Amino acid sequence: QKEVEQNSGPLSVPEGAIASLNCTYSDRGSQSFFWYRQYSGKSPELIMSIYSNGDKEDGRFTAQLNKASQYVSLLIRDSQPSDSATYLCAVEIRRSGYALNFGKGTSLLVTP
Amino acid sequence: GAVVSQHPSRVICKSGTSVKIECRSLDFQATTMFWYRQFPKKSLMLMATSNEGSKATYEQGVEKDKFLINHASLTLSTLTVTSAHPEDSSFYICSAREGVRETQYFGPGTRLLVL
Repeated sequence: QKEVEQNSGPLSVPEGAIASLNCTYSDRGSQSFFWYRQYSGKSPELIMSIYSNGDKEDGRFTAQLNKASQYVSLLIRDSQPSDSATYLCAVEIRRSGYALNFGKGTSLLVTP
Repeated sequence: GAVVSQHPSRVICKSGTSVKIECRSLDFQATTMFWYRQFPKKSLMLMATSNEGSKATYEQGVEKDKFLINHASLTLSTLTVTSAHPEDSSFYICSAREGVRETQYFGPGTRLLVL
């Protein structure tokens, strides 16, 4: 299985700060990348998808992709306590009908 | 966004019994559905890919005779855990994908506890 690596954390940031989450992947042929947020005991919810090199912004979230470095990141601006969750990086697996290969997730704690 | 439901949300059963979990896409037709499993403090692991009207494709290490998957319609896939054992206790999550878009929509998950 191709690997998706994330720092497990926990990453602690104060309220209002920028949280930076990183992910690397091993399959150089990967084309589609996703960030999901998972609260304890719940299923993942999609935050962003990114397919091209560069930045993609959606509200307080910015995803960054660098295929040459096999690196994906997620920035959360103006972090809120409600952003405290586990953030999962996922990479599409084409051989499995476009299923997702998930990293282990980074736990984010936003302190008031 | 699209909605995927799962039933039941939580089930407790005795060792040796079988449990069926349903996954439904409520407002779109899902040609492909996926079944994942998540153990505590671990990430989601793909178990199988299910295409409507055909046999599921199982990931390496997942027993197809133990985890029976049926995708009988474009809106329903079922996972049956046969002869469940305590080590099968986990959080089972399905997702569904529309035919022409890449976004997967996840169900709320089913927490299985085998005693």
